[in-house]
Amino acid sequence: DAGVTQSPTHLIKTRGQHVTLRCSPISGHKSVSWYQQVLGQGPQFIFQYYEKEERGRGNFPDRFSARQFPNYSSELNVNALLLGDSALYLCASSLLGGRGQVNQPQHFGDGTRLSIL
Amino acid sequence: AQSVTQLGSHVSVSEGALVLLRCNYSSSVPPYLFWYVQYPNQGLQLLLKYTTGATLVKGINGFEAEFKKSETSFHLTKPSAHMSDAAEYFCAVSDLGLTGGGNKLTFGTGTQLKVEL
Repeated sequence: DAGVTQSPTHLIKTRGQHVTLRCSPISGHKSVSWYQQVLGQGPQFIFQYYEKEERGRGNFPDRFSARQFPNYSSELNVNALLLGDSALYLCASSLLGGRGQVNQPQHFGDGTRLSIL
Repeated sequence: AQSVTQLGSHVSVSEGALVLLRCNYSSSVPPYLFWYVQYPNQGLQLLLKYTTGATLVKGINGFEAEFKKSETSFHLTKPSAHMSDAAEYFCAVSDLGLTGGGNKLTFGTGTQLKVEL
């Protein structure tokens, strides 16, 4: 079975532009989470979606938004890009992501490397 | 709020030597703990997890970790290092969702493991 797939793998943008990153979860997984990993740091939680509803939001500005589609794939959108948005953006899926279902491990994709010039 | 502290951003061992990567956590609710490994230009791969039950957890590639509540620790060990173990390792704690934040992962800053001949 295919793992978590993310596209594109690499992206270069300039300040002020908008970007959309895409994620397809493992088949059967209904929960998708997004993380930002700045070089030299651990991943930081951005969003979690479960059954197309937002279930969690990290400490990121409103320029960051996401959504989940009926097939459980997801998009992360970032507006008005800043140099500080340069990072590896990771998507993770899990079998269950409902409230209290924490013992299901999250499986990560290889990420999208976003560079802002 | 939950947090994770990884002591030592870089650890160097000889091939065949013991690997010990340290992780301490802070959590106001019973923690669910994870270790992930990240190879260059890749996403995160789950090594092992602690949810409930046995405090000594065995994972893939010969790694294991022990949950010690009294010390708020979840250190990762491997008896004999191999060159292929060179990577970055992240300890993470899971939010139970009781605070309404879904089951996000909170990561430490990572430990880069170098294995020398």
